[in-house]
Amino acid sequence: DSGVTQTPKHLITATGQRVTLRCSPRSGDLSVYWYQQSLDQGLQFLIQYYNGEERAKGNILERFSAQQFPDLHSELNLSSLELGDSALYFCASSVYASGNNEQFFGPGTRLTVL
Amino acid sequence: QKEVEQDPGPLSVPEGAIVSLNCTYSNSAFQYFMWYRQYSRKGPELLMYTYSSGNKEDGRFTAQVDKSSKYISLFIRDSQPSDSATYLCAMITGRSGGSNYKLTFGKGTLLTVNP
Repeated sequence: DSGVTQTPKHLITATGQRVTLRCSPRSGDLSVYWYQQSLDQGLQFLIQYYNGEERAKGNILERFSAQQFPDLHSELNLSSLELGDSALYFCASSVYASGNNEQFFGPGTRLTVL
Repeated sequence: QKEVEQDPGPLSVPEGAIVSLNCTYSNSAFQYFMWYRQYSRKGPELLMYTYSSGNKEDGRFTAQVDKSSKYISLFIRDSQPSDSATYLCAMITGRSGGSNYKLTFGKGTLLTVNP
């Protein structure tokens, strides 16, 4: 158990809908990262937040947004969902801001868009 | 050409074998190299982290980086059935917060160690 929690575990929704995925980092970790994992693309870095501020962006679509709250939990919002958004979404956390140190991954949220 | 290439396998070996997993990359700005292990239906976990060229050993695992050839390897000695998992390489260009930050994963190699 990495100490990172993600809810929900599974989410099934329809095209065009909007969903919110939630992540709680390990105690003491200030950085939160979001990833998307699909069979086609593999594991892709989406975005990093550090202590409430956006720190780095990866391959995040404009339909996707994230935020980190004062209690350090983070939410990833996915809107106008398409079939291709079906994937595993992972959250990871780390102590530092630099983005080049060990990250601890949560168990993931499996999103299915029908 | 993709920035990071990793043979997806699958790779099947007998227990006790030495396993070699590899990634090649094209972006010479990558400075940090990592290997993650991902069990089925779980999140990835960090196995090895290297910054410079050369070898780094941790128990049965050795990570090797050759920056001149843009090639990294993970060796597993005395492989065990519990090593059966997907192994992902990951590479980072620098520190996040800068304009050149890039974090890229290979697609992963599925390894099965047979008892």
